[in-house]
Amino acid sequence: DAGITQSPRHKVTETGTPVTLRCHQTENHRYMYWYRQDPGHGLRLIHYSYGVKDTDKGEVSDGYSVSRSKTEDFLLTLESATSSQTSVYFCAISESQREVQETQYFGPGTRLLVL
Amino acid sequence: KQEVTQIPAALSVPEGENLVLNCSFTDSAIYNLQWFRQDPGKGLTSLLLIQSSQREQTSGRLNASLDKSSGRSTLYIAASQPGDSATYLCAVITSGTYKYIFGTGTRLKVLA
Repeated sequence: DAGITQSPRHKVTETGTPVTLRCHQTENHRYMYWYRQDPGHGLRLIHYSYGVKDTDKGEVSDGYSVSRSKTEDFLLTLESATSSQTSVYFCAISESQREVQETQYFGPGTRLLVL
Repeated sequence: KQEVTQIPAALSVPEGENLVLNCSFTDSAIYNLQWFRQDPGKGLTSLLLIQSSQREQTSGRLNASLDKSSGRSTLYIAASQPGDSATYLCAVITSGTYKYIFGTGTRLKVLA
């Protein structure tokens, strides 16, 4: 298994509070991604990173920000959590060759409940 | 905008049956297509990746095919086993992007 960990694995928080989720990899892969998974929607990309300090938005980026100060860490921040952000969050990594994406490897997920 | 559809949403089959899962996508300009497996409460595990220039990939009892022109991929599972029970997702990367677009998955149950 690819070396990807996510922390915390479970979190309960209240509406309006800030929340930061962490993804840590030991594979030295260039690309890192944050997805959320919700019933009926599948996995949707929130943000991704293509290098240290290089990030871009995915399809559901509103209300989320990210940072990548080191190759191995990718942080997802909910500035002011809302109940609609209750979800399971997955981090993924990949390394690309000749502009063609290679396999994505996924972390175990973080279950977030916003009350 | 790329859209990925998987039909059926759920499938139950008796053990030993060969089965086919379907994935369709609206934009045929893709880099690759990937099939994943997800067990309940767990992350995704990559099963097969097909580059846009390839027609199929095989791994053990799994065979994935890709027909870019028609926007379709199939995942064939031979001699299904109860341990194959899981949700299977397909995802594509559209040319010019770095982003995977996922289907909503097919939930497979193999009955002993």
